[in-house]
Amino acid sequence: QVQLVQSGGEVKKPGASVKVSCKASGYTFTAYYVHWVRQAPGQGLEWMAWINPDTGGTDYAQRFRGRVTITRDTSVGTIYMDLTSLESDDTAVYYCARDWSSGKNVGFFDLWGRGTLVTVSS
Amino acid sequence: QSALTQPRSVSGSPGQSVTISCTGSSNNVGGYSVSWYQQHPGKAPKFIIYDVNKRPSGVPDRFSGSKSGNTASLTISGLLSEDEADYYCSTYAGSYTFVFGGGTKLTVL
Repeated sequence: QVQLVQSGGEVKKPGASVKVSCKASGYTFTAYYVHWVRQAPGQGLEWMAWINPDTGGTDYAQRFRGRVTITRDTSVGTIYMDLTSLESDDTAVYYCARDWSSGKNVGFFDLWGRGTLVTVSS
Repeated sequence: QSALTQPRSVSGSPGQSVTISCTGSSNNVGGYSVSWYQQHPGKAPKFIIYDVNKRPSGVPDRFSGSKSGNTASLTISGLLSEDEADYYCSTYAGSYTFVFGGGTKLTVL
């Protein structure tokens, strides 16, 4: 079954870091770029970053550069999103999403994980 | 505030058609392809339109897309109650980044 399975919800204190995982299955892991998108409570979708699982190449939205790191482990077909210096505004559901086009980064997100709720609270 | 502007809400009665706009600039919507997503409450978004007007397998032909200049549009015809959801447009924003519109809540009256 083609799917992205994300790790469970997290509760963190301000200033802490969180690492969310996204495990791909049912397709060739290295063939499709993966993106991260977040959604704060009651708010819209916000694009954060992408990774090329084949090369490990990444890029990030300007507002997250320096604070978010996307990595992958090809041996287990998993993508990781590491977000540091958490603030209350980082409370959101974080989604991983696969790019539709094999081998390309076209920004059409055809397969989504169920999302991981990260709550930042003192 | 997103670089792509969508109406906050639209509504229509069952069987009618509604159109949701997504307005950007020549640096995003006007210059690149657009995709659309449907999101029901508490669920992950669903991919419904790509490359401006193409539908992924399984998406009903009641959903269609178009683009004119810096504005892309999603039209849903023959509205069903199950179409009530939030809708988002997305496109390339330059410098290898992407952007979503602010989202539109569709209410089926």
